[in-house]
Amino acid sequence: AQSVSQHNHHVILSEAASLELGCNYSYGGTVNLFWYVQYPGQHLQLLLKYFSGDPLVKGIKGFEAEFIKSKFSFNLRKPSVQWSDTAEYFCAVNNQGGKLIFGQGTELSVKP
Amino acid sequence: DAGITQSPRHKVTETGTPVTLRCHQTENHRYMYWYRQDPGHGLRLIHYSYGVKDTDKGEVSDGYSVSRSKTEDFLLTLESATSSQTSVYFCAISESTGDAFFGQGTRLTVV
Repeated sequence: AQSVSQHNHHVILSEAASLELGCNYSYGGTVNLFWYVQYPGQHLQLLLKYFSGDPLVKGIKGFEAEFIKSKFSFNLRKPSVQWSDTAEYFCAVNNQGGKLIFGQGTELSVKP
Repeated sequence: DAGITQSPRHKVTETGTPVTLRCHQTENHRYMYWYRQDPGHGLRLIHYSYGVKDTDKGEVSDGYSVSRSKTEDFLLTLESATSSQTSVYFCAISESTGDAFFGQGTRLTVV
């Protein structure tokens, strides 16, 4: 069965620190990969996506993610976080058959 | 924001009563999803639909049913609400690529 695992449940960083959030998935076929962000009290919004091609994808607000097929990973990175990045981040996998599965989420707290 | 509306936004109901949540879209997207969000569990897929009258179960479908009689509407029914179904429910829509747009959520409390 398709599944997504996010290793960090809660990450606390100071402003200007670098961020890397881990995401691994299990599915043997071709997948589309996503990172979503949920700001406090809001619904989820798409941060970035990977369908094919260059495994390093750039999203909004300076975020990027790298797809490593051999490791079934799609880690999210940002060189320098800001207080406004405080949110919950979700990795998701779509198996191109319509099923969209999410990880457990990582709560990011950025201290000013 | 994509045209997706959930109703009601908040509901309190009693244990054992049926409850129906509605998701309405104006984007004509093929796929529609219902998730529940609980602390520590992220978003868990309840049911999804890949077309009118075409639905399938997700990870946590027990106690829930869905219907999609029109492209724009996807209904989630709790057949007999239990306290364990107290949660925030999100509807989402997408095309086959999977990049989804989410509704604002419905906060359901079962007392």
